[in-house]
Amino acid sequence: DAGVIQSPRHEVTEMGQEVTLRCKLISGHNSLFWYRQTMMRGLELLIYFNNNVPIDDSGMPEDRFSAKMPNASFSTLKIQPSEPRDSAVYFCASRTTWDSPTGELFFGEGSRLTVL
Amino acid sequence: QQQVKQSPQSLIVQKGGISIINCAYENTAFDYFPWYQQFPGKGPALLIAIRPDVSEKKEGRFTISFNKSAKQFSLHIMDSQPGDSATYFCAASTPNTGNQFYFGTGTSLTVIP
Repeated sequence: DAGVIQSPRHEVTEMGQEVTLRCKLISGHNSLFWYRQTMMRGLELLIYFNNNVPIDDSGMPEDRFSAKMPNASFSTLKIQPSEPRDSAVYFCASRTTWDSPTGELFFGEGSRLTVL
Repeated sequence: QQQVKQSPQSLIVQKGGISIINCAYENTAFDYFPWYQQFPGKGPALLIAIRPDVSEKKEGRFTISFNKSAKQFSLHIMDSQPGDSATYFCAASTPNTGNQFYFGTGTSLTVIP
């Protein structure tokens, strides 16, 4: 299995531009999480989906951030307009089922975003 | 607010020494406590995990010690090796919030040869 695949791996953009990060889940997984990692705050959960349905988006910083899951294997995280404080590494992660307390979370390799 | 508090932020250990990372929590509904290991440029990966019905779990050189009454758990790395140099995250989850993981802020471990 290829694992969780994220793209792009690196993105450098200017303030005000739209940024779209993409994630392909592991086949058979039905739970998808988006995290943001910074030195100051560590791993922050932004949003998670179960069976393509957003369950908790309370971690999304503000309306500039949106996430979708158009099908069972793919998700996007969009930032519009982007700001320098959005610079971070964004991870998506998936697991087999949301209602298993011990379900292992599989992370992608992350998308490093730099907003100038 | 941070649901899981992790310390220290960084740790330097000599090869062969013991590395200890501590985590504390308040929510007594947490019932699963994994540790994730992250190498530079990679995503975190599950290292070891424990449920609160046991006080210790060991896998090779890695041990989780769990103190339910104190609401604390820790990761011990015995005979630390340079290859263990990574960032370690503790986490906790509860069915009450969909089993989402609440991560600590991470500990950067450096093992000096």
